[in-house]
Amino acid sequence: EDKVVQSPLSLVVHEGDTVTLNCSYEVTNFRSLLWYKQEKKAPTFLFMLTSSGIEKKSGRLSSILDKKELFSILNITATQTGDSAVYLCAVGATGNQFYFGTGTSLTVIP
Amino acid sequence: DAGITQSPRHKVTETGTPVTLRCHQTENHRYMYWYRQDPGHGLRLIHYSYGVKDTDKGEVSDGYSVSRSKTEDFLLTLESATSSQTSVYFCAISDRQGYEAFFGQGTRLTVV
Repeated sequence: EDKVVQSPLSLVVHEGDTVTLNCSYEVTNFRSLLWYKQEKKAPTFLFMLTSSGIEKKSGRLSSILDKKELFSILNITATQTGDSAVYLCAVGATGNQFYFGTGTSLTVIP
Repeated sequence: DAGITQSPRHKVTETGTPVTLRCHQTENHRYMYWYRQDPGHGLRLIHYSYGVKDTDKGEVSDGYSVSRSKTEDFLLTLESATSSQTSVYFCAISDRQGYEAFFGQGTRLTVV
C-alpha cells in the first residue's frame, strides 16, 4: 500500500530555533516529492524535489530528498511566529495520484 | 498564486439534498483534482480529471460525482448529502502528471 508518513506530528519551538521536519514514503511509480505549508486555509506550495541529494532553498527554508532511503526533510532556520502552520508532505506518482501525509503541526512561540 | 477559484466558500445544507461545488481555473492546466480534508485523515482524493470529459475515481469517491465540460471548470456533486460528507473540500490543478499541484482556497461544507 502506498503511503507517506510525516514526523513529528506536532512541534512547539521558540522563535529563532531551527527545526527539521521528516517525511518518509513508500510509493510506487514515484515522480516527485512536494512540500506545502497550510495556515487555516489552502495548502501553499513550497518545494518540489525530483532528484536525490539536491537541496532546494527558499530563504530560511530548505529541503532535500533521498530516493534511496525514501525520505525527505524540510529544514526551517531562525524560525518566526509566521512559520506556525501545518506542513504537508506529498508524493506525486504516475496515474494522477498524489499521496499526502497527515502533516506536522509547527507552533513557534515568541 | 495560481488562478483557482472555488465556489461557494462556505455552505450549510440539509441531509439528503444535492450539492454542487465548483472549481474554476484560469491557468489552462490539464489536470484537476477534488480532495477532502478531515482531521486525522489528511487530504484524500475524491475524483480527478485528466482532460475535458475525462475523469476517474479516487480513494473516497462513493457518494460523489464530477463533471468537466470545459478545461477551466471542474464540478463536484454530492447527489444526496450525508453528515459524513461534512468536510473541507479543496480543488487542485496541475499541468504535469505527478508534479506540482496548486490548491484553491477550499469550501467548507456542513451537512446537518
